[in-house]
Amino acid sequence: DTGVSQNPRHKITKRGQNVTFRCDPISEHNRLYWYRQTLGQGPEFLTYFQNEAQLEKSRLLSDRFSAERPKGSFSTLEIQRTEQGDSAMYLCASRIWEGGHEQYFGPGTRLTVT
Amino acid sequence: AQKITQTQPGMFVQEKEAVTLDCTYDTSDPSYGLFWYKQPSSGEMIFLIYQGSYDQQNATEGRYSLNFQKARKSANLVISASQLGDSAMYFCAMSTARSGNEKLTFGTGTRLTIIP
Repeated sequence: DTGVSQNPRHKITKRGQNVTFRCDPISEHNRLYWYRQTLGQGPEFLTYFQNEAQLEKSRLLSDRFSAERPKGSFSTLEIQRTEQGDSAMYLCASRIWEGGHEQYFGPGTRLTVT
Repeated sequence: AQKITQTQPGMFVQEKEAVTLDCTYDTSDPSYGLFWYKQPSSGEMIFLIYQGSYDQQNATEGRYSLNFQKARKSANLVISASQLGDSAMYFCAMSTARSGNEKLTFGTGTRLTIIP
Protein backbone atom coordinates (compact mmCIF):
# COMPACT_ATOMS: atom_id res chain seq x y z
CA ASP A 1 0.00 0.00 0.00
CA THR A 2 1.69 3.18 -1.20
CA GLY A 3 1.36 6.44 0.67
CA VAL A 4 0.15 9.83 -0.49
CA SER A 5 2.22 11.11 -3.40
CA GLN A 6 2.61 14.66 -4.65
CA ASN A 7 4.11 16.05 -7.83
CA PRO A 8 6.20 17.95 -8.45
CA ARG A 9 8.24 17.98 -5.26
CA HIS A 10 9.71 21.37 -6.07
CA LYS A 11 8.52 24.16 -8.33
CA ILE A 12 10.22 27.46 -9.07
CA THR A 13 8.18 29.95 -11.04
CA LYS A 14 8.20 33.61 -11.90
CA ARG A 15 5.66 35.97 -10.46
CA GLY A 16 2.55 36.10 -12.57
CA GLN A 17 2.81 32.56 -13.91
CA ASN A 18 0.25 29.82 -13.27
CA VAL A 19 1.22 26.60 -11.51
CA THR A 20 -0.58 23.30 -10.92
CA PHE A 21 0.20 20.67 -8.32
CA ARG A 22 -1.05 17.11 -8.23
CA CYS A 23 -1.88 14.87 -5.26
CA ASP A 24 -2.54 11.13 -5.41
CA PRO A 25 -4.12 9.95 -2.16
CA ILE A 26 -3.91 6.49 -0.66
CA SER A 27 -6.24 4.31 -2.68
CA GLU A 28 -9.76 4.05 -1.28
CA HIS A 29 -9.27 7.14 0.88
CA ASN A 30 -12.38 9.15 0.16
CA ARG A 31 -11.36 12.33 1.97
CA LEU A 32 -8.58 14.52 0.59
CA TYR A 33 -7.17 17.70 2.14
CA TRP A 34 -4.88 20.53 1.07
CA TYR A 35 -2.78 22.54 3.51
CA ARG A 36 -0.20 25.28 3.12
CA GLN A 37 2.86 25.59 5.33
CA THR A 38 5.08 28.66 5.41
CA LEU A 39 8.51 28.78 7.00
CA GLY A 40 8.44 28.47 10.77
CA GLN A 41 4.72 27.80 10.93
CA GLY A 42 2.45 24.80 11.19
CA PRO A 43 0.31 23.79 8.21
CA GLU A 44 -2.84 25.82 7.55
CA PHE A 45 -5.99 24.25 6.15
CA LEU A 46 -6.98 25.26 2.62
CA THR A 47 -9.74 22.92 1.44
CA TYR A 48 -11.02 19.34 1.50
CA PHE A 49 -12.96 16.91 -0.64
CA GLN A 50 -15.29 14.02 0.04
CA ASN A 51 -14.86 11.98 -3.14
CA GLU A 52 -15.27 14.56 -5.93
CA ALA A 53 -17.24 17.09 -3.88
CA GLN A 54 -15.36 20.05 -2.44
CA LEU A 55 -16.97 20.45 0.98
CA GLU A 56 -15.09 23.35 2.54
CA LYS A 57 -12.73 26.13 1.49
CA SER A 58 -10.71 28.31 3.81
CA ARG A 59 -10.73 32.08 3.50
CA LEU A 60 -7.01 31.66 2.77
CA LEU A 61 -8.03 30.27 -0.62
CA SER A 62 -8.28 33.42 -2.68
CA ASP A 63 -9.88 33.64 -6.12
CA ARG A 64 -6.50 32.82 -7.65
CA PHE A 65 -6.58 29.35 -6.10
CA SER A 66 -8.70 26.50 -7.38
CA ALA A 67 -8.75 22.84 -6.42
CA GLU A 68 -10.41 19.92 -8.16
CA ARG A 69 -10.87 16.22 -7.64
CA PRO A 70 -12.71 15.31 -10.85
CA LYS A 71 -13.09 11.55 -10.44
CA GLY A 72 -12.78 11.29 -6.70
CA SER A 73 -9.23 9.98 -6.92
CA PHE A 74 -6.31 12.38 -7.55
CA SER A 75 -6.62 16.11 -6.92
CA THR A 76 -5.05 19.19 -8.46
CA LEU A 77 -4.39 22.57 -6.89
CA GLU A 78 -3.89 25.45 -9.31
CA ILE A 79 -2.58 28.89 -8.47
CA GLN A 80 -3.09 31.58 -11.09
CA ARG A 81 -1.00 34.75 -11.39
CA THR A 82 1.38 33.65 -8.65
CA GLU A 83 2.68 36.18 -6.13
CA GLN A 84 5.78 36.03 -3.96
CA GLY A 85 3.54 35.50 -0.94
CA ASP A 86 2.43 32.19 -2.43
CA SER A 87 5.88 30.73 -1.77
CA ALA A 88 5.27 27.88 0.66
CA MET A 89 5.08 24.11 1.05
CA TYR A 90 1.74 22.74 -0.20
CA LEU A 91 0.77 19.56 1.61
CA CYS A 92 -1.86 17.04 0.64
CA ALA A 93 -3.41 14.53 3.04
CA SER A 94 -6.04 11.81 2.84
CA ARG A 95 -8.05 9.53 5.08
CA ILE A 96 -10.96 7.12 5.06
CA TRP A 97 -14.01 8.93 6.40
CA GLU A 98 -15.35 5.85 8.16
CA GLY A 99 -11.99 4.88 9.53
CA GLY A 100 -9.62 6.38 12.05
CA HIS A 101 -9.21 10.03 12.77
CA GLU A 102 -5.71 10.54 11.44
CA GLN A 103 -4.89 12.20 8.15
CA TYR A 104 -1.99 10.76 6.17
CA PHE A 105 0.21 13.38 4.56
CA GLY A 106 2.25 13.39 1.38
CA PRO A 107 5.79 14.78 1.07
CA GLY A 108 4.57 18.15 -0.13
CA THR A 109 5.31 20.44 -3.06
CA ARG A 110 7.64 23.33 -2.29
CA LEU A 111 6.77 26.38 -4.36
CA THR A 112 9.18 29.26 -4.80
CA VAL A 113 7.93 32.35 -6.60
CA THR A 114 10.71 34.65 -7.82
CA ALA B 1 -12.33 29.54 16.97
CA GLN B 2 -9.80 26.97 18.01
CA LYS B 3 -6.15 27.58 18.82
CA ILE B 4 -3.10 25.46 19.56
CA THR B 5 -0.14 26.86 21.49
CA GLN B 6 3.30 25.29 21.58
CA THR B 7 5.59 27.42 23.72
CA GLN B 8 8.88 25.54 23.19
CA PRO B 9 10.46 26.60 19.89
CA GLY B 10 13.36 24.19 20.41
CA MET B 11 14.54 21.49 22.77
CA PHE B 12 17.80 19.59 23.19
CA VAL B 13 17.64 16.20 24.90
CA GLN B 14 20.27 13.57 25.61
CA GLU B 15 19.77 10.26 23.82
CA LYS B 16 17.83 7.65 25.84
CA GLU B 17 16.25 10.26 28.07
CA ALA B 18 12.50 10.88 28.13
CA VAL B 19 11.21 14.17 26.71
CA THR B 20 7.95 16.06 27.14
CA LEU B 21 6.72 18.43 24.44
CA ASP B 22 4.12 20.93 25.61
CA CYS B 23 0.82 21.70 23.92
CA THR B 24 -2.14 23.73 25.15
CA TYR B 25 -5.35 24.20 23.24
CA ASP B 26 -8.37 26.43 23.27
CA THR B 27 -11.83 25.58 22.01
CA SER B 28 -15.39 26.02 23.20
CA ASP B 29 -16.47 22.80 21.46
CA PRO B 30 -16.93 19.94 23.96
CA SER B 31 -16.13 17.39 21.25
CA TYR B 32 -12.65 17.55 19.77
CA GLY B 33 -9.63 15.49 18.87
CA LEU B 34 -5.97 16.14 19.56
CA PHE B 35 -3.12 14.93 17.37
CA TRP B 36 0.64 14.91 17.33
CA TYR B 37 2.61 14.82 14.09
CA LYS B 38 6.34 14.54 13.46
CA GLN B 39 7.94 16.38 10.54
CA PRO B 40 11.51 15.30 9.68
CA SER B 41 13.69 17.46 7.46
CA SER B 42 12.30 15.60 4.44
CA GLY B 43 9.03 17.49 5.00
CA GLU B 44 6.47 14.72 5.29
CA MET B 45 4.09 14.93 8.27
CA ILE B 46 4.03 11.60 10.14
CA PHE B 47 1.06 10.84 12.40
CA LEU B 48 2.10 9.79 15.91
CA ILE B 49 -0.86 9.70 18.27
CA TYR B 50 -4.52 10.73 18.72
CA GLN B 51 -6.61 11.58 21.78
CA GLY B 52 -10.36 12.15 21.72
CA SER B 53 -11.90 14.62 24.17
CA TYR B 54 -14.16 11.93 25.62
CA ASP B 55 -11.48 9.26 25.91
CA GLN B 56 -11.10 8.23 29.53
CA GLN B 57 -7.53 7.05 29.27
CA ASN B 58 -4.43 8.74 27.93
CA ALA B 59 -3.45 7.50 24.48
CA THR B 60 -0.26 5.48 24.02
CA GLU B 61 1.50 4.29 20.87
CA GLY B 62 4.77 2.50 21.48
CA ARG B 63 7.26 5.02 22.87
CA TYR B 64 4.74 7.86 22.51
CA SER B 65 2.13 8.77 25.09
CA LEU B 66 -0.18 11.74 25.32
CA ASN B 67 -0.58 13.34 28.73
CA PHE B 68 -4.14 14.65 28.42
CA GLN B 69 -5.24 17.07 31.14
CA LYS B 70 -8.67 18.28 30.13
CA ALA B 71 -9.17 20.83 32.90
CA ARG B 72 -5.87 22.49 32.02
CA LYS B 73 -6.53 22.14 28.29
CA SER B 74 -3.16 20.55 27.77
CA ALA B 75 -2.11 17.61 25.60
CA ASN B 76 1.60 17.09 26.10
CA LEU B 77 3.51 14.48 24.11
CA VAL B 78 5.88 12.24 26.05
CA ILE B 79 8.57 10.33 24.18
CA SER B 80 10.27 7.68 26.26
CA ALA B 81 13.85 6.52 25.68
CA SER B 82 14.59 9.08 22.97
CA GLN B 83 16.56 8.04 19.89
CA LEU B 84 18.65 9.99 17.39
CA GLY B 85 15.94 9.41 14.80
CA ASP B 86 13.49 11.37 16.96
CA SER B 87 15.21 14.62 15.93
CA ALA B 88 12.53 16.51 13.98
CA MET B 89 9.82 19.16 14.21
CA TYR B 90 6.81 18.12 16.27
CA PHE B 91 3.36 19.63 15.75
CA CYS B 92 0.32 19.46 17.98
CA ALA B 93 -3.01 19.77 16.16
CA MET B 94 -6.72 19.78 16.88
CA SER B 95 -9.97 19.12 15.08
CA THR B 96 -13.42 19.91 16.44
CA ALA B 97 -16.89 18.53 15.89
CA ARG B 98 -18.00 22.01 14.90
CA SER B 99 -15.54 21.90 12.01
CA GLY B 100 -16.88 18.49 11.05
CA ASN B 101 -13.84 16.83 12.64
CA GLU B 102 -12.08 17.54 9.38
CA LYS B 103 -9.71 20.46 9.22
CA LEU B 104 -6.73 20.31 11.52
CA THR B 105 -5.53 23.42 13.32
CA PHE B 106 -1.80 23.20 14.02
CA GLY B 107 0.52 24.88 16.48
CA THR B 108 3.82 26.46 15.47
CA GLY B 109 5.80 23.37 16.39
CA THR B 110 8.77 22.40 18.55
CA ARG B 111 12.12 21.48 17.05
CA LEU B 112 13.51 18.52 18.98
CA THR B 113 17.20 17.69 18.75
CA ILE B 114 18.52 14.48 20.30
CA ILE B 115 22.14 14.69 21.40
CA PRO B 116 24.23 11.50 21.25
